[in-house]
Amino acid sequence: SQKIEQNSEALNIQEGKTATLTCNYTNYSPAYLQWYRQDPGRGPVFLLLIRENEKEKRKERLKVTFDTTLKQSLFHITASQPADSATYLCALDIHFQKLVFGTGTRLLVSP
Amino acid sequence: DGGITQSPKYLFRKEGQNVTLSCEQNLNHDAMYWYRQDPGQGLRLIYYSQIVNDFQKGDIAEGYSVSREKKESFPLTVTSAQKNPTAFYLCASTLKSPGQGTEAFFGQGTRLTVV
Repeated sequence: SQKIEQNSEALNIQEGKTATLTCNYTNYSPAYLQWYRQDPGRGPVFLLLIRENEKEKRKERLKVTFDTTLKQSLFHITASQPADSATYLCALDIHFQKLVFGTGTRLLVSP
Repeated sequence: DGGITQSPKYLFRKEGQNVTLSCEQNLNHDAMYWYRQDPGQGLRLIYYSQIVNDFQKGDIAEGYSVSREKKESFPLTVTSAQKNPTAFYLCASTLKSPGQGTEAFFGQGTRLTVV
């Protein structure tokens, strides 16, 4: 069966540390992998995407890696801040098919 | 300002009634999507549409129906056949069809409660 899995348990880290979130998938062949941020009661907001033939992408304090052999993406937030506390969702962008989301991981950054 | 608008924000439905959730975008996006989110869960795809007058079922289409008569509009009807409709519903759009690396823009969501 097709699955997209993210850590269901919340990730608690201290301000200034690097947060690393994981997205694993099975039985999909995405053209792109995207990451979104969602705050309570609101719609997700796009952060960045990475193409299937790219290994790494950076944007300010954010970094994404994509390993199509392992079927895994890692999402890093460096120098984390309390304002980074939110739920982070990965999404698979599949050729001419659909955009499907993972279960999300809640990140809590403590001062 | 361009964006995607969902209405209403809150909706209450009696058991056995059909309700329609509105989604409108003025971004000139080709593709539109409906997702359902339950507490503490991710987004599950209900239906999506890549062009006008065409749409495809997602992973949980049973008990739902959609139409795409205009590019900017993609209403979702929650029918009485949907056994557990209480949830947070999100509409999204992308400039191009899936698989072409365009980001999704989301509405603010509609929270549907069956009373």
